[in-house]
Amino acid sequence: DVKVTQSSRYLVKRTGEKVFLECVQDMDHENMFWYRQDPGLGLRLIYFSYDVKMKEKGDIPEGYSVSREKKERFSLILESASTNQTSMYLCASSFLNDGYGYTFGSGTRLTVV
Amino acid sequence: TQLLEQSPQFLSIQEGENLTVYCNSSSVFSSLQWYRQEPGEGPVLLVTVVTGGEVKKLKRLTFQFGDARKDSSLHITAAQPGDTGLYLCAGAGSSNTGKLIFGQGTTLQVKP
Repeated sequence: DVKVTQSSRYLVKRTGEKVFLECVQDMDHENMFWYRQDPGLGLRLIYFSYDVKMKEKGDIPEGYSVSREKKERFSLILESASTNQTSMYLCASSFLNDGYGYTFGSGTRLTVV
Repeated sequence: TQLLEQSPQFLSIQEGENLTVYCNSSSVFSSLQWYRQEPGEGPVLLVTVVTGGEVKKLKRLTFQFGDARKDSSLHITAAQPGDTGLYLCAGAGSSNTGKLIFGQGTTLQVKP
């Protein structure tokens, strides 16, 4: 069964901590994406990557960075966590130039206190 | 900027009722997907429509892509409590990067 795996389902971090969210896919997809989902705001794209070591900013990249050293792994980094980064974080992957949809992970519910 | 507007935002119905969710844009999309998301989980792809006017059926769910490929609808017949969740439409834009444009979602509650 093909899948996207996010390392943690729930995470509680303190303000100012550096936070790493990991995502691994086993489908040989070129594209990988990080979204955050908040009530009333829908899915907002933070960063995406279409190849190893390649990254592009999404709609809300401020306060985040990403790393893609291997094709199957895409990491989201919160350099200095803040309470307004409390959210549900979703990783997704797809084939390059493929309009046939994403495969999403189960999400990481991050709470920053 | 391509946008997708979903309506309604919230829907609460009784088991057995029919419903339709709409996804509209002023832009043309090369394809459009519908996802369902249950609480605490990631969205799961239900269907992709590609051709203008295309209709696809998935058991009690019927998906339609508008003739001009600017809009889509999801119709559920005889809704069941298991249909409860957030329904998202997403379109593949003209840039052909694989990046999707998501609607804001429709929260459906089906009461037994």
